[in-house]
Amino acid sequence: AQSVTQLDSQVPVFEEAPVELRCNYSSSVSVYLFWYVQYPNQGLQLLLKYLSGSTLVESINGFEAEFNKSQTSFHLRKPSVHISDTAEYFCAVSGKGSNYKLTFGKGTLLTVNP
Amino acid sequence: GAGVSQTPSNKVTEKGKYVELRCDPISGHTALYWYRQSLGQGPEFLIYFQGTGAADDSGLPNDRFFAVRPEGSVSTLKIQRTERGDSAVYLCASSPGGGTSGLSSYNEQFFGPGTRLTVL
Repeated sequence: AQSVTQLDSQVPVFEEAPVELRCNYSSSVSVYLFWYVQYPNQGLQLLLKYLSGSTLVESINGFEAEFNKSQTSFHLRKPSVHISDTAEYFCAVSGKGSNYKLTFGKGTLLTVNP
Repeated sequence: GAGVSQTPSNKVTEKGKYVELRCDPISGHTALYWYRQSLGQGPEFLIYFQGTGAADDSGLPNDRFFAVRPEGSVSTLKIQRTERGDSAVYLCASSPGGGTSGLSSYNEQFFGPGTRLTVL
């Protein structure tokens, strides 16, 4: 069984400030790791993923996440946020078998204020 | 190209009624997933189709829930004798390929906008 814990349900920050959204997971098998983003009134979109290789992965809009196996974490960071980053962020894991069903955390609402 | 579509976008029904929720995946995607997102929660897995067959239905909460994908494309999630606790956003996702394990077979899931079900 797998589980994902997102420690913060809401994170308010000011524009241009750095942000970290925390994610820890638990699994009896090795997993793939994901961050999904849901902008207001839109569907879920994949932000970034860790499948293998370098433990630091980056998205096209400046977010990055680092896989830490010993701490079973996959925290999401951005050095300087924009108003447009306001959204709900979900951390998720999947197994590596043929069924890639996702197990999600409860989500973190990031609100960027001017 | 067109993304995953779901109809209706909103459905209001009364307790005890039967509902059907439809998902149109991206053309050519063989894998299809249903998830349910309750208020304040992340999406929870319901069922996974590979082609026409339900490869994993372990997430269906009880026997009131059933899903089909008869031609390997459109899928319908069916809920009998709806209860107020069934109120949630039902999400569908599709991905190309699948059915085999290993890094090279991983494919991204693309999500639809969801159907918001309200049971009064």
